[in-house]
This record gives sequence, structure tokens and C-alpha cells, in this order.
Amino acid sequence: SAVISQKPSRDICQRGTSLTIQCQVDSQVTMMFWYRQQPGQSLTLIATANQGSEATYESGFVIDKFPISRPNLTFSTLTVSNMSPEDSSIYLCSVQSQGNTEAFFGQGTRLTVV
Amino acid sequence: RKEVEQDPGPFNVPEGATVAFNCTYSNSASQSFFWYRQDCRKEPKLLMSVYSSGNEDGRFTAQLNRASQYISLLIRDSKLSDSATYLCVVMMNTGFQKLVFGTGTRLLVSP
Repeated sequence: SAVISQKPSRDICQRGTSLTIQCQVDSQVTMMFWYRQQPGQSLTLIATANQGSEATYESGFVIDKFPISRPNLTFSTLTVSNMSPEDSSIYLCSVQSQGNTEAFFGQGTRLTVV
Repeated sequence: RKEVEQDPGPFNVPEGATVAFNCTYSNSASQSFFWYRQDCRKEPKLLMSVYSSGNEDGRFTAQLNRASQYISLLIRDSKLSDSATYLCVVMMNTGFQKLVFGTGTRLLVSP
């Protein structure tokens, strides 16, 4: 299993500002994943973060809006840039076990943009 | 059409009831299948994997029908603690093992 520490757990931010979310994993992992879960919705993959290369973004998500860092095999950050109320959501980081039989998630960051 | 579809519920059942959730997926190349549980304001956690032969874990039984692209979860003898949202999850091989989540089915078990 993997233990993921994600912070902040929640934040209320002014529109136009940026927030950086951090995830620390207790073991080395090749890929880390960032998801968004909007109210009443399921998880949508934002991007996949590989150590030593640029993140791979899913359709509808761009690097300028959601820059990601992956400086080593246990840590990643997601920044939500130039926020608007539509960015209010829960953001979760995730890793997958060896053999990809299970995904583990951070506790989530509940973001409210006012 | 959504890649993974579920009835959002909520399903309101009394303790001890049996309840079944269904899920359909659109991509026939999907490789692996799972049910995750998400409690209110918590992160999702794996409940069980789903195999073509069907698998059982205590009160929970999962079934996969590849021909119909259909997945089910059966919960017997429901407990109050089973109240949660159940997410149907499909893994696709898109260069990496991408997980696609359904919108979830909410279960409320009442005394």
C-alpha cells in the first residue's frame, strides 16, 4: 500500500489568485496522478506527472492553468492558476500500486474560489 | 455517451436489505474493473476488483459481463456502515494504466 499526505486539506481563495497543492508519498512511485472532483460528480483525471519529464494533460486541461511539478519520485505539486469560481472543486492526487491493481489517494484538497 | 455510466441513486434501503448496483462501460478494450467506495468528504478507497468469473468478499459480490460491457455489485445484509458512494472504475491501457471513474451510486442504509 501507499500512504499519501496531501495539503492543504481545504482553502478559500480569491479569484485571480493561484493555489499550489502538495502531495508526498511514503514510497517511490513512477507516476502520480492528479484528479478533480466537482460537486456531485466523479473523479476526472487532470494530468499524469512523471518524474523528470513534463506532465501529460488530459483533454480539457492545459499546463498554463494547471502547472505540475514532479521534482522526485515521492513528491508532486499541482497549481491551480488564475482561479475563478468554476475552479471550486476537490483536487486529489493518486498513485497506483505495482501491477496497477489498486489506486491510493491523498485526502483531497477542498478548494472554494470566491 | 459517458465512458462509465452508473445510476446515481440515492438508493435508500433498510438495514439487512440486499441491494444491487449496475455499471456499464463503453470501451470494449477496457482491461480491468473495480468498485471503489467513497465516504462523504473522504477520498475513494478500493472495495474490490471485478473478475469475469465473479468474485465475492464477505457480503459483497462483484460480477463482470464483458460481452454486455456490464459490471455489478451486490451487497447482502446491508449495514448502516455501508452508507457511502460506490464508484465503478474501469482501467484502460492508453500508454499507461488510466482509470476512468463512473459518477458513483449513493447508498443510504437506514435503521
